[in-house]
Amino acid sequence: EAQVTQNPRYLITVTGKKLTVTCSQNMNHEYMSWYRQDPGLGLRQIYYSMNVEVTDKGDVPEGYKVSRKEKRNFPLILESPSPNQTSLYFCASSWGGQGIDGYTFGSGTRLTVV
Amino acid sequence: SQQGEEDPQALSIQEGENATMNCSYKTSINNLQWYRQNSGRGLVHLILIRSNEREKHSGRLRVTLDTSKKSSSLLITASRAADTASYFCATDAGNQFYFGTGTSLTVIP
Repeated sequence: EAQVTQNPRYLITVTGKKLTVTCSQNMNHEYMSWYRQDPGLGLRQIYYSMNVEVTDKGDVPEGYKVSRKEKRNFPLILESPSPNQTSLYFCASSWGGQGIDGYTFGSGTRLTVV
Repeated sequence: SQQGEEDPQALSIQEGENATMNCSYKTSINNLQWYRQNSGRGLVHLILIRSNEREKHSGRLRVTLDTSKKSSSLLITASRAADTASYFCATDAGNQFYFGTGTSLTVIP
């Protein structure tokens, strides 16, 4: 089944403790992206990647890192999480750039930083 | 800044009725997409309409696009309780891709 897999689904952590949210897609998509979704603010792009070893900042990149060492994987790293990073996070992928042919989304990771 | 704005923010209808939601945007686009999100879950791509198209159908979904008014509408016919979800438009403006703020649809059985 074609899908984007995110893990974990839920995560509660403490301020400053480094964490990684994994994202993997099995569709051989070139383009991958991370979004956060907050009430009243909608979906905001954190980082995106056009291809292996090519990443770029989205609208809200502060406090996040990403890497794209393999085409299928695009982990999101929070080196020192803070409470304002409590949010619902989504990984998404598409054939073309910036979801131009439609994104496939993961199921989401609900992160709580206390 | 986001460029898609959905209207209404919330919509409640009876099962069997039609649901219409609208999306307005600010800049020229290559295409506009509609997504559905069940509570707390990932978004699901519903339909894509290109800037040179005016109307598109997919099952019970009908999407229109008016580039002169920079607006789109999504019509769901004969709604079902399972259609209860949030619906988002997304615009591809070349080097920018933005999601709107969403319409929350409740279909009452």
